[in-house]
Amino acid sequence: NAGVTQTPKFQVLKTGQSMTLQCAQDMNHNSMYWYRQDPGMGLRLIYYSASEGTTDKGEVPNGYNVSRLNKREFSLRLESAAPSQTSVYFCASSDHPEAFFGQGTRLTVV
Amino acid sequence: AQSVSQHNHHVILSEAASLELGCNYSYGGTVNLFWYVQYPGQHLQLLLKYFSGDPLVKGIKGFEAEFIKSKFSFNLRKPSVQWSDTAEYFCAVKPGFQKLVFGTGTRLLVSP
Repeated sequence: NAGVTQTPKFQVLKTGQSMTLQCAQDMNHNSMYWYRQDPGMGLRLIYYSASEGTTDKGEVPNGYNVSRLNKREFSLRLESAAPSQTSVYFCASSDHPEAFFGQGTRLTVV
Repeated sequence: AQSVSQHNHHVILSEAASLELGCNYSYGGTVNLFWYVQYPGQHLQLLLKYFSGDPLVKGIKGFEAEFIKSKFSFNLRKPSVQWSDTAEYFCAVKPGFQKLVFGTGTRLLVSP
């Protein structure tokens, strides 16, 4: 049972480049989340998906888009990366109320 | 909007000292409460959770937390910490079927 799988684990981007962070879960959960973790700020919610086909903005959605094409997968896209998006990104899934987390993606934008 | 406050940002303890990390939340209705731990370089792992029933919850590795509804608090405790408890600890709240909201975290350093 893999749980929540995120790819890639590490990524370095140049300012203005785009990329998509992938997240997949095999627990048949309805809810999925994308968080970013920055020192001293805890985990801040970027986007949330309560079920397949639905997405909602979280606390810090600017500069990001998401896609929940099926129940398993929830991707996060940076259209034009900025240095302020340097962070560790975590995907999580939940079927009320407990959430399970992926291993994280460490993204550096130079 | 609901919020979660962790008042201690950094805590330094010696081994065998007792630990209490504070967590307060602002939501007034039914809540589900969690403590997650993140060891250096790793992802978040669930330490313990409260859904209903006994307000004193026992988790893994000797941790426990007490839900005090009147104080909107869910403090984490451990009677005697070990060097291996060095980590960052996050309190999280899920009001009803709403989104999971995290506190800003507490970095615990346990010196041998």
